[in-house]
Amino acid sequence: QVQLVQSGAEVKKPGASVKVSCKASGYTFTSYDINWVRQATGQGLEWMGWMNPNSGNTGYAQKFQGRVTMTRNTSISTAYMELSSLRSEDTAVYYCARGHDYSNGAFDIWGQGTMVTVSS
Amino acid sequence: DIQMTQSPSSLSASVGDRVTITCQASQDISNYLNWYQQKPGKAPKLLIYDASNLETGVPSRFSGSGSGTDFTFTISSLQPEDIATYYCQQYDNLLFTFGGGTKVEIK
Repeated sequence: QVQLVQSGAEVKKPGASVKVSCKASGYTFTSYDINWVRQATGQGLEWMGWMNPNSGNTGYAQKFQGRVTMTRNTSISTAYMELSSLRSEDTAVYYCARGHDYSNGAFDIWGQGTMVTVSS
Repeated sequence: DIQMTQSPSSLSASVGDRVTITCQASQDISNYLNWYQQKPGKAPKLLIYDASNLETGVPSRFSGSGSGTDFTFTISSLQPEDIATYYCQQYDNLLFTFGGGTKVEIK
């Protein structure tokens, strides 16, 4: 079945970087954009950026410009999101989500989420 | 950036009630508005895309309407399994924004 499976929980110190992976299966990885969305505990959803797995083109929310990098490895159908200069406010669950079949703006398949904790 | 104002932030209703949530965009977004349901500890689930299109497999008691800046999400008859937080989300020129969310509880 169509699914996105993310890497496991991470604990990082302030100032470090984290790289979360998102492995796609059940569909052609290069045919759908991958977006990244995060959610701090008890808070709402925050969109971080998108990547076109075919071209490698990316677009980032202004808030994360300069700190986030989205990449992919098409040979293993995996997308990556790296966030640098981590601070405590980056503690959140990070989700990858696939662009919809019929609507470029909707996210129809989501990963299970990866908890990233930033603590000294 | 386009801002999304979602209201109410929470509501309590009885089983069988009609529930309505609104979302207002800070500028015209045509019909580029989606609705998601999120249950505790789970990833969001797409319910409605492009303002009024029901995602495959989603019960017909869920619906959406609106265009431009004002949008409405409706549950025609609230069921116990609908307890969740609902989010609107807009997209414009490859930038995306979520509303603040509406927590729906059973009275």
